[in-house]
Amino acid sequence: KAGVTQTPRYLIKTRGQQVTLSCSPISGHRSVSWYQQTPGQGLQFLFEYFSETQRNKGNFPGRFSGRQFSNSRSEMNVSTLELGDSALYLCASRPGSQETQYFGPGTRLLVL
Amino acid sequence: AQSVTQLDSQVPVFEEAPVELRCNYSSSVSVYLFWYVQYPNQGLQLLLKYLSGSTLVKGINGFEAEFNKSQTSFHLRKPSVHISDTAEYFCAVFFFNTGKLIFGQGTTLQVKP
Repeated sequence: KAGVTQTPRYLIKTRGQQVTLSCSPISGHRSVSWYQQTPGQGLQFLFEYFSETQRNKGNFPGRFSGRQFSNSRSEMNVSTLELGDSALYLCASRPGSQETQYFGPGTRLLVL
Repeated sequence: AQSVTQLDSQVPVFEEAPVELRCNYSSSVSVYLFWYVQYPNQGLQLLLKYLSGSTLVKGINGFEAEFNKSQTSFHLRKPSVHISDTAEYFCAVFFFNTGKLIFGQGTTLQVKP
């Protein structure tokens, strides 16, 4: 099976812009989670989608949003970008609710 | 609050020496436990996991970990490290009551020749 794929791999934006990141889970996996990784804060959970519904949410402002499509692909959107949003954004998928999460290679976002 | 603590931010070790990376978590509720490895500019790769059963679990690349419920720990060990083991290692705990996977801050393993 193909692994989790994320596009784009690298992105440069300026403050105030918005960005959309995409994640395609492993075939058959219905749960997709998003994480933000920064040197200072480490790996922080953003949200999880399961069967097109947000099932869980971390402590991030409303500028961070996501959605999941019927084919389980997920997108994450960040509006009004801030310098502090520069990070590696990781997507992970799993079959259901409690199984192991498998991670994609990440999208590295740089906000200037 | 649920938390995961990796006690060492950096662990330098010589090649072929043994290593232990420590991980403790805060909760007494049911958990699943994981160790992931991250190489530079890459995502996270699963090393091993504990879901149930034997408390000693073996993973890829010669790593193993032991779940200690009374001490709420899940330390990662390898008897003899290689240069190629140089990477960042993350302990992660899935807490059943919140359904969230919480990561430790990571431990950078630096293997020296």
